[in-house]
Amino acid sequence: DQQVKQNSPSLSVQEGRISILNCDYTNSMFDYFLWYKKYPAEGPTFLISISSIKDKNEDGRFTVFLNKSAKHLSLHIVPSQPGDSAVYFCAASRDFGNEKLTFGTGTRLTIIP
Amino acid sequence: DVKVTQSSRYLVKRTGEKVFLECVQDMDHENMFWYRQDPGLGLRLIYFSYDVKMKEKGDIPEGYSVSREKKERFSLILESASTNQTSMYLCATGRVDRNQPQHFGDGTRLSIL
Repeated sequence: DQQVKQNSPSLSVQEGRISILNCDYTNSMFDYFLWYKKYPAEGPTFLISISSIKDKNEDGRFTVFLNKSAKHLSLHIVPSQPGDSAVYFCAASRDFGNEKLTFGTGTRLTIIP
Repeated sequence: DVKVTQSSRYLVKRTGEKVFLECVQDMDHENMFWYRQDPGLGLRLIYFSYDVKMKEKGDIPEGYSVSREKKERFSLILESASTNQTSMYLCATGRVDRNQPQHFGDGTRLSIL
């Protein structure tokens, strides 16, 4: 049972435009969410996170939005750059003090120059 | 900067062999995790450990065991390797504070022939 879902396996965006990556979850106990970025032959690196007490968190070009009622989060990258081409995973955790993460299936983002 | 080192980048083993994957971290993190990454399935948690000699099953522990004799080292063991264990294996570490993101190694691509 996939509790965290990324329904778009791939996404192509023109350089300079906005990239929007989506993630849905089913477990209402999840209350902390993260995005990781992964290049080939490297481990995932942390991008940005959001707690369920917020609906938005920004860090430079990256913004994460959380809609708790819809159990949906999205990552916005603006403007998109060629170096953003990678696989993006969303992840979720529940219960403060429980560090287990449940990951989505990933979305491959390709930025077209 | 956190460094998570996995002993091998690529490994080829035969069916039935006992396989050891090693992970070492240099930041004194309490938590250590083993994931596998497969196309279309994202990252799935195999085992994790909150402290020396402690281990907990993740979502897909069957066919695997782990060992944590020292805080900085977490080993994943495939007791009798099978072809369906061909995968990318990722080690991660983290503090006992889920507001601090997990840090990943670069992965071991394991092929079982």
